[in-house]
Amino acid sequence: TQLLEQSPQFLSIQEGENLTVYCNSSSVFSSLQWYRQEPGEGPVLLVTVVTGGEVKKLKRLTFQFGDARKDSSLHITAAQPGDTGLYLCAGAGNNDMRFGAGTRLTVKP
Amino acid sequence: EPEVTQTPSHQVTQMGQEVILRCVPISNHLYFYWYRQILGQKVEFLVSFYNNEISEKSEIFDDQFSVERPDGSNFTLKIRSTKLEDSAMYFCASSASYRNEQFFGPGTRLTVL
Repeated sequence: TQLLEQSPQFLSIQEGENLTVYCNSSSVFSSLQWYRQEPGEGPVLLVTVVTGGEVKKLKRLTFQFGDARKDSSLHITAAQPGDTGLYLCAGAGNNDMRFGAGTRLTVKP
Repeated sequence: EPEVTQTPSHQVTQMGQEVILRCVPISNHLYFYWYRQILGQKVEFLVSFYNNEISEKSEIFDDQFSVERPDGSNFTLKIRSTKLEDSAMYFCASSASYRNEQFFGPGTRLTVL
């Protein structure tokens, strides 16, 4: 079973601060996806990373896939209250996808 | 923008009853999935489905669960005899190709009393 560990589990910061959350595994993934989930709703895809070392930017969000394709990070610059939510990473296996437990981010105004 | 839809949004049932959760995947997608999320816990993979058969299933997906694509648009999850511990959000997802990014529906909240 491929396990994904996300850290930190909870993060509370002030508006304008930068932050990084991590997704780590001992397994290699063919791709890794980051989702954001609001309470009572389904995960919403943010980005997919496929190539080791790949960096993708989505406005103030920067996603990086580790060279060995075992880990990933999400960096948010100048966080805003609207960034508050649960950030999930998920790694693609053979015919399934395994999720981490998520990082719950709170950005205070 | 195409999206995955799920019905009902909330289902309440008595323990031991059968429930069918319905999903309409994105129309040109070929791979379909069911996940569940118990309140406060992580999203857990249940089953993937391609070409009218199960591709992979997790240890959660026991004989009480079944999936079906009864027509060209719907994808269903059936729980034969619900247990209290089946209470959870159930998410359907679909993807265009193997290991491609998956798009999730809004979920069905199942409550077993």
